[in-house]
Formats: sequence, structure tokens, C-alpha cells
Amino acid sequence: EPEVTQTPSHQVTQMGQEVILRCVPISNHLYFYWYRQILGQKVEFLVSFYNNEISEKSEIFDDQFSVERPDGSNFTLKIRSTKLEDSAMYFCATQGVRDSPLHFGNGTRLTVT
Amino acid sequence: RKEVEQDPGPFNVPEGATVAFNCTYSNSASQSFFWYRQDCRKEPKLLMSVYSSGNEDGRFTAQLNRASQYISLLIRDSKLSDSATYLCVVNNAGNMLTFGGGTRLMVKP
Repeated sequence: EPEVTQTPSHQVTQMGQEVILRCVPISNHLYFYWYRQILGQKVEFLVSFYNNEISEKSEIFDDQFSVERPDGSNFTLKIRSTKLEDSAMYFCATQGVRDSPLHFGNGTRLTVT
Repeated sequence: RKEVEQDPGPFNVPEGATVAFNCTYSNSASQSFFWYRQDCRKEPKLLMSVYSSGNEDGRFTAQLNRASQYISLLIRDSKLSDSATYLCVVNNAGNMLTFGGGTRLMVKP
């Protein structure tokens, strides 16, 4: 079964540093998402991306966050200046067609110290 | 009111028991509904989609009640391996899926 792959699996960074989280979507999927889950809390929507642009974003997705698909394959989430409260699991998810289920990657655990 | 609401549990049941979870959602325009399963520190994995007429997949049955805006999941003959957190997921606006907080199930021998 095709998979969504994310790298790295764990990233430790100091407050104020930039991080880039990477995702390789399932090859024929067109819709891409980032979600995050702070330890012990629910999965929260960050942003959706379709046709090389952001479709929707949540209040969490402020100016410190950006997404892009620079080479047509990798889908990246950049956090420009990390804060302690950015520590969470970040999940990439992809979708073949609208309203179909999301397929999640195995996540990147981000720890900001 | 929370967009997607679930009883966090935990539900502690013996092997072989039948257990049911409910979920309520606030957006009456929602069109897509899913149950996901999440193991500790792992990614959510699709358990089943939920259709208006109700649907069954082996020991799992999902029901949708649009009038009351709730979704249910029934697990029959619980196995130890069913222990996990069950996430109710609803498309809340556009193509954005919103997650409930999850219901934790622990199946004991």
C-alpha cells in the first residue's frame, strides 16, 4: 500500500531556530495537509495545499509558518523562528480526491528547547 | 460548542465485550465523516468511513444520524489489539477535516 513518508522522525531545535519538516506524498494525490498534535491533546489542522497554493489555514498557521512544494514531490512545512509551544508531533496527510479519507505520514516529533 | 466532541473515556472493557462510542459535530453542512484509530505516539489510521445508511466492516459498525448530528462506532467482540484511541473526524468547512479529541479504549484480558 502506498505510504506518506515524513522526515526527520524526530527534530530537536533551540528556540528561535528555523526548522523544515519534509513529507513525500502518495504519488497521485493532489491535496496535502499539515496537522499537529501537542502531547496529550487532539490533532489540530494547520494548513491545506492544492494546486501549488494554500487552500485553507487555521489560526495556528501564523506568519511564522509556511509551506511549499519546491520540486513537485516533497511537501515542506517551515517554521521560521520556533517557540517552546511549537513542540508537538507534526503530521503530513495527503488525499486523492476531495472528501475522501486522509492518509497520514508517521509524523515528525519536534522538540523545541 | 466544540466542533467535534467525544467522550475522552477511558472505556475499560473485557475481551469479547461490545463497546460503543458516540461523537457529536456542530456543523450541519458537514458531508464527510470518518473514524480513525490512533495508537500511542503514532499517526492516525483510517478505520472506516461513515455513510448515511450506516456501514459495517467486520466487527466494526458505524452509524450516522444527521438530524441529531452524531456519529457512532460499535465494536463487537473486542480484542486486546483494539486498545487505542478512536478519533471521530468530520469535514467542517471546505475540504478541511476536523478531529475530535478522541475516545480511549482499553481492552483487558
